Amino acid sequence: AQSVSQHNHHVILSEAASLELGCNYSYGGTVNLFWYVQYPGQHLQLLLKYFSRDPLDKGIPGFEAEFIKSKFSFNLRKPSVQWSDTAEYFCAGSNTDKLIFGTGTRLQVFP
Amino acid sequence: DTGVSQDPRHKITKRGQNVTFRCDPISEHNRLYWYRQTLGQGPEFLTYFQNEAQLEKSRLLSDRFSAERPKGSFSTLEIQRTEQGDSAMYLCASSLGTGGEQPQHFGDGTRLSIL
Repeated sequence: AQSVSQHNHHVILSEAASLELGCNYSYGGTVNLFWYVQYPGQHLQLLLKYFSRDPLDKGIPGFEAEFIKSKFSFNLRKPSVQWSDTAEYFCAGSNTDKLIFGTGTRLQVFP
Repeated sequence: DTGVSQDPRHKITKRGQNVTFRCDPISEHNRLYWYRQTLGQGPEFLTYFQNEAQLEKSRLLSDRFSAERPKGSFSTLEIQRTEQGDSAMYLCASSLGTGGEQPQHFGDGTRLSIL
């Protein structure tokens, strides 16, 4: 069955620390992968997307994701977090039309 | 781009009542999706439309749930005889073209609370 899993449920960091959020997927064949972010009180927004035939498309500056096919992983990274990065982050996958989301990672950044 | 609009933002109702939610997608988007999100979980797919045609329904969508998109623009999601387990955030998203290749844009959601 298709699935997306996120192992970090809650991450607490100080400003300027580096961020890495894990995401693993289970799909047969071609998969498109996304990271969405939900800032407090706001709707889900696309952070970045990866389509299997294209290079990584970075949306919101500062964030990047590494796609490792052999590990079925699509981890999100940011070298230096800011207080404004406090949000919930969702990894999602798709190979048809519907998105399958992970359970999300709540990131808290303290000044 | 005015974004995806959902109404109401919050609905409180007694168990057994019927509720209806509305979603207005981004105007040129031909695909419209409904998801449900409960506390501590990511959104779960319910159903989606391409224009006015409903193309897929999740097994999560019981017979008490019905969705329509009559003119290929706005959509409604109705829940009949609500149950405690229906309490959740109901999210609507829209995209242009094939959803698998185009990002989905989400609304703010309708939070349903069943008393």
